[in-house]
Amino acid sequence: ELQLLESGGDLVLPGGSLSLSCAASGFTFTNYAMTWVRQAPGRGLEWVSVITRNGDYKYYSDAVKGRLTISRDSSQNKLFLQMNSLTAEDTAIYYCARVSIEGAFDFWGQGTLVTVSS
Amino acid sequence: DIVMTQTPLSLSVTPGEPASFSCRSSQSLLDGDDGNTYLDWYLQKPGQSPQLLIFTASYRASDVPDRFSASGSGTDFTLRISRVEADDFGVYYCMQRLEFPYTFGQGTKLE
Repeated sequence: ELQLLESGGDLVLPGGSLSLSCAASGFTFTNYAMTWVRQAPGRGLEWVSVITRNGDYKYYSDAVKGRLTISRDSSQNKLFLQMNSLTAEDTAIYYCARVSIEGAFDFWGQGTLVTVSS
Repeated sequence: DIVMTQTPLSLSVTPGEPASFSCRSSQSLLDGDDGNTYLDWYLQKPGQSPQLLIFTASYRASDVPDRFSASGSGTDFTLRISRVEADDFGVYYCMQRLEFPYTFGQGTKLE
């Protein structure tokens, strides 16, 4: 059974850091690019970042470039998002999703909530 | 960045009736190199994660009922539901992945 399980969401102070994880199972992790998408409370979806199958290429939205870093560990079948210099605008549910061979986001995790507040 | 605009923002439909969603991009989503149009549709049901409905403008994702169809080219796209069912209610998003940063529309709430 396909599964993506995010973890690491928490309450963090402005300017703080947090690391999110996404554990993948039920498919061959190394065959797929992976992505993060976030959703602020009561708002729409916002694409954050994507990483290629082998981790060679990474792309980011302008809002997070330089502060958030995507990575993956194929030995653990895990996707990561290191979040630094957090602001209130980063408050959101963070979803990891699998990128299909065609390039769409064909399977999503349940999300993990990040709250940035003093 | 490519701006995605969805209309209407909300749509009230009775089960059994058809529904239509519009999505417009600020520039063409046609990839001149491979001829594909990189527009996807997602549905987020209340309290759930988003799910893929349509990829590359008109291809239904796995297990998506055939009452869902999509069309469009260039900058104008439409998602249609032939007969709305109770399980179809939620927010519909379009997303372009022609170029980075990928961008979503603001969503249309089907209620």
